[in-house]
Amino acid sequence: QVQLVQSGAEVRRPGASVKVSCKASGYTFSGYYIHWVRQAPGQGLEWMGRINPNSGGTNYAQKFQDRVTMTRDTSITTAYMDLSSLTSDDTAVYYCARDPGSPFYAFDLWGQGTMVIVSS
Amino acid sequence: EIVMTQSPATLSVSPGERATLSCRASQSVSSNLAWYQQKPGQAPRLLIYGASTRATGIPARFSGSGSGTEFTLTISSLQSEDFALYYCQQYNNWPPLYTFGQGTKLEIK
Repeated sequence: QVQLVQSGAEVRRPGASVKVSCKASGYTFSGYYIHWVRQAPGQGLEWMGRINPNSGGTNYAQKFQDRVTMTRDTSITTAYMDLSSLTSDDTAVYYCARDPGSPFYAFDLWGQGTMVIVSS
Repeated sequence: EIVMTQSPATLSVSPGERATLSCRASQSVSSNLAWYQQKPGQAPRLLIYGASTRATGIPARFSGSGSGTEFTLTISSLQSEDFALYYCQQYNNWPPLYTFGQGTKLEIK
């Protein structure tokens, strides 16, 4: 079954870091970019960045450039998103999503989302 | 940075009628435009990519059009399951950048 399965909900204190995982199955992991998109409560979708699972190369949105790190482990077909220096504004559902690249440049498969709550 | 503006913010339409949702880019994005549907508590679902190509399994009542800066998503005959949030998303080649619109809520009239 083609799917992305994310890790469970997390609660962090302000200033801490969080690492969310995204396990891919049912397709060739190295053949599709993995993107991370977040959605704050009641808000819209916000693109954070992407990783090329084949090369490990990353591109980050400028807003997150200084505190996000995206990695992958091809041996277990899993992508990771690490976000540091958390504030309450980072409280959101974090999604991973697959992008086939050209000619799509769109996200055709999504994980179920991981709720991250930042609270003191 | 390219800004995507969707209109209207909320659209009220009766079942069986046509819905037309708009998305405008602050500069040309060619045909690198996608549409998503999102229901409460669910991840978004890809409807349209390349401005006008339906994704796998998407019913023919969904259609996309436009290029450059003006795009439209049309739902020809609304079904009960179509009432949801809709987002447009653009892709910029370099630097790689993906931007979403703020969304249109399609509600039952």
